Amino acid sequence: DTGVSQDPRHKITKRGQNVTFRCDPISEHNRLYWYRQTLGQGPEFLTYFQNEAQLEKSRLLSDRFSAERPKGSFSTLEIQRTEQGDSAMYLCASSPPLAGGDEQFFGPGTRLTVL
Amino acid sequence: SQQGEEDPQALSIQEGENATMNCSYKTSINNLQWYRQNSGRGLVHLILIRSNEREKHSGRLRVTLDTSKKSSSLLITASRAADTASYFCALFQGAQKLVFGQGTRLTINP
Repeated sequence: DTGVSQDPRHKITKRGQNVTFRCDPISEHNRLYWYRQTLGQGPEFLTYFQNEAQLEKSRLLSDRFSAERPKGSFSTLEIQRTEQGDSAMYLCASSPPLAGGDEQFFGPGTRLTVL
Repeated sequence: SQQGEEDPQALSIQEGENATMNCSYKTSINNLQWYRQNSGRGLVHLILIRSNEREKHSGRLRVTLDTSKKSSSLLITASRAADTASYFCALFQGAQKLVFGQGTRLTINP
């Protein structure tokens, strides 16, 4: 499967714990995005990488959230001191270099439940 | 709000009928994209229409864009049970991010 992959698919944690999610984009794609989706809503943008550079962050990304893409390939999203309000589906997407189009390819998501 | 607003929020039709969903927005856009989401395949890109285009077709899908009215519509013809899903319009505003609406939940009844 050469699509976007995310790991884990499900994560249950207790309030106050730290969690980390991983995203592996499609190999030729240098643009990578993280979104958060809650039940009944559309995805909300969190952050954007072009290669290893984090070029945009949403105000939704509080100081408890950090994302990295150290070598311009896979990316991680860490949430520190989780809160119940962090429960959501975290989606990763990738897209080809700028000339290749603006369509985004989404992974299956990581569903986070904070107890 | 920068996001698109889909209408209706939910739509239920019989298999074989056509389904039309609308999206309205308030800001300028570079392009507008439609995505489908179901539990089996996640969020999948359907079609992209640029701000200088008025209509695009892809198989059973037809998308229109009226930038003067800041609205778009997605038409699915000859619906099938497999079309049951949530459909989202997403605005691409040049800031390298998509801004999604709340979606239309489409149910195709056999």
